[in-house]
Amino acid sequence: DSGVTQTPKHLITATGQRVTLRCSPRSGDLSVYWYQQSLDQGLQFLIQYYNGEERAKGNILERFSAQQFPDLHSELNLSSLELGDSALYFCASSVGVGMETQYFGPGTRLLVL
Amino acid sequence: AQSVTQLDSQVPVFEEAPVELRCNYSSSVSVYLFWYVQYPNQGLQLLLKYLSGSTLVESINGFEAEFNKSQTSFHLRKPSVHISDTAEYFCAVSDPSDLPLRGAQKLVFGQGTRLTINP
Repeated sequence: DSGVTQTPKHLITATGQRVTLRCSPRSGDLSVYWYQQSLDQGLQFLIQYYNGEERAKGNILERFSAQQFPDLHSELNLSSLELGDSALYFCASSVGVGMETQYFGPGTRLLVL
Repeated sequence: AQSVTQLDSQVPVFEEAPVELRCNYSSSVSVYLFWYVQYPNQGLQLLLKYLSGSTLVESINGFEAEFNKSQTSFHLRKPSVHISDTAEYFCAVSDPSDLPLRGAQKLVFGQGTRLTINP
């Protein structure tokens, strides 16, 4: 158990819908990262937040957005969902910025029908 | 942009045999390198990392990886594997030039290598 929690574990929805994925980092960690793992694209970095502020952006679609709240939990919002958004979404956290180890949560499996 | 190539998508080996999982990255500039392991139905766990110093890094469960700058490689090895090592292994690179700018740590992952241990 990494100490990072993600809810829900599974999510099934329809195209065009909007969903919110939630992540609680390890106690004391200020950085949160979101990744998408799909069969065709592999594991891709989406976005990083540190203490509520966006720090890095990867291959995140404009239909996707994220934020980190004052209590340090983070949410990833996916809108206008398409079939291709079906994937495993991981959240990770680390103590701060720099090369600290990222601890990954168990993931949320999203299926868009 | 950085990229990572894991040359083998699947590696089957027998228990107690040695194994090498290959990883090459695209850039010859200074990078940080990582190996992560994903056990079935779990998230990723850091196995080992190279930031600087000795080019040979070891994990607590017998894996080691060697940073080879001239060949831009970071291959993972274990002299004798166990059934419990069955998992998917991901090599990743992070560009240290991202850090001073905004404290960014963007990991670029390879496609993964599925290690299957046969008894």
